[in-house]
Amino acid sequence: QVQLQESGPGLMKPSETLSLTCTVSGGSISSYYWSWIRQPPGKGLEWIGNIYYTGSTNYNPSLRSRVTISVDTSKNQFSLILNSVTAADTAMYYCARDHSSGWFDDWGQGTLVTVSS
Amino acid sequence: DIVMTQSPDSLAVSLGERATINCKSSQSVLYSSNNENYLAWYQQKPGQPPKLLIYWASTRESGVPDRFSGSGSGTDFTLTISSLQAEDVAVYYCQQYYTTLRTFGQGTKLEIK
Repeated sequence: QVQLQESGPGLMKPSETLSLTCTVSGGSISSYYWSWIRQPPGKGLEWIGNIYYTGSTNYNPSLRSRVTISVDTSKNQFSLILNSVTAADTAMYYCARDHSSGWFDDWGQGTLVTVSS
Repeated sequence: DIVMTQSPDSLAVSLGERATINCKSSQSVLYSSNNENYLAWYQQKPGQPPKLLIYWASTRESGVPDRFSGSGSGTDFTLTISSLQAEDVAVYYCQQYYTTLRTFGQGTKLEIK
C-alpha cells in the first residue's frame, strides 16, 4: 500500500488553468498506472484519465480536449492540467493508484477545487 | 461508454440485517478470454476517499471483512453485507474496468434503520 497526496489551488476563477500534483510515498511510481478521479460536491465519481510510469496516457473522451496528465518519476509524482475551467469543474479531485487490471486500490485524501468568479 | 446503474439509490437496513445493493451495466463486462467480470465495488464514508472492497466482481480486497461479498456476472451484479454493522454506513459505488474509459455507478447510500 502506498500513500498519495494531492496538492493544488483551492479556489480558481473561470477560464483559468487547473494544475494539480500527486506525490506518491511508501513505494515507487514505476510499474503502475496512476489515475485522476473527480467528484463534484454531493455527486458521483468521474474518471479523468491515467498515466503509466513510462508516460503513456489515457483520457476520458469527455475531457480529452482540456486535460493533460504527466509523470515525473524522479520526484515520484504525477500531475493533472485542466484548461479553461468552469463552475462545472468544481469538485474534489482524487489521485489513485490504478491497478493494471483497472480498479483503484489506493487513493489520496483528495483536494477540493472550487471554480467561482 | 458503459453506463453503470445502481439500485436502490438509498437503503435503510437494521443493524445485524442483510443489505443488498445492485449494479447493472449497459453491456456485459465479462471478458470471455479469461472468464472474469471487470467489476469492482467501493465504500465511501463521509469526508473520506473511496475504499476498494471487491474486484473481479467477487474477490475481496485484503483486510475487507468477510461480511462483504460480491456476486453476479455479465451485466448484473450484487454487493451484499451479510450482517450490517454501524461502521458500514456509507455510499457504495460499483465501477467497471472492461473498457479503458472506466465508469462508476451513481452510488447507493446505506443507512441504519
